[in-house]
Amino acid sequence: NAGVMQNPRHLVRRRGQEARLRCSPMKGHSHVYWYRQLPEEGLKFMVYLQKENIIDESGMPKERFSAEFPKEGPSILRIQQVVRGDSAAYFCASSPGVQGEQYFGPGTRLTVT
Amino acid sequence: GQQLNQSPQSMFIQEGEDVSMNCTSSSIFNTWLWYKQDPGEGPVLLIALYKAGELTSNGRLTAQFGITRKDSFLNISASIPSDVGIYFCAGRLGAGGTSYGKLTFGQGTILTVHP
Repeated sequence: NAGVMQNPRHLVRRRGQEARLRCSPMKGHSHVYWYRQLPEEGLKFMVYLQKENIIDESGMPKERFSAEFPKEGPSILRIQQVVRGDSAAYFCASSPGVQGEQYFGPGTRLTVT
Repeated sequence: GQQLNQSPQSMFIQEGEDVSMNCTSSSIFNTWLWYKQDPGEGPVLLIALYKAGELTSNGRLTAQFGITRKDSFLNISASIPSDVGIYFCAGRLGAGGTSYGKLTFGQGTILTVHP
């Protein structure tokens, strides 16, 4: 049973460009969560999605950030017009239900130059 | 919002020693989870706790869900070099409302094991 997949593992973008981060949950999991981790810090919740629905986006900045989890295909975290402060590791987790255990992917490390 | 205070921030121990770390919260959590993160990787789930007072073991790891539901601790017995990494506690609120899926993480405990 494959784990949570994320790609790319590393992404370099210039200021002003767009970043697209992908997450494929574990088989059978329909709940996806995105977290951001700055160097030497814990993970901070961004957004929680089920198939085709955003359930909780309270941790996601209102501007430039968006997330989706379509009926078919991976969940996408999109950051428009990236700035240096967006440089971080972005982790996706999935669970079979809202109270189930969350399993994390390997992360995408975004560097904005 | 909820905050988790995790301590100690870092530990330097000799191989074979036991380790203890803990998390405290200003909020009541319904679930406590402990994760380990290696450099460049995602967090790996070690132990999940669902009931106040619950004590759960996974090999050399033992974790407890505090009776007040505001704290948890993790013990590692007879440490080995591969225990090196960052350990995170995470809490989740109870059912009700849209916030009850997300995890709130502690700041992490960096563990170094000297052979």
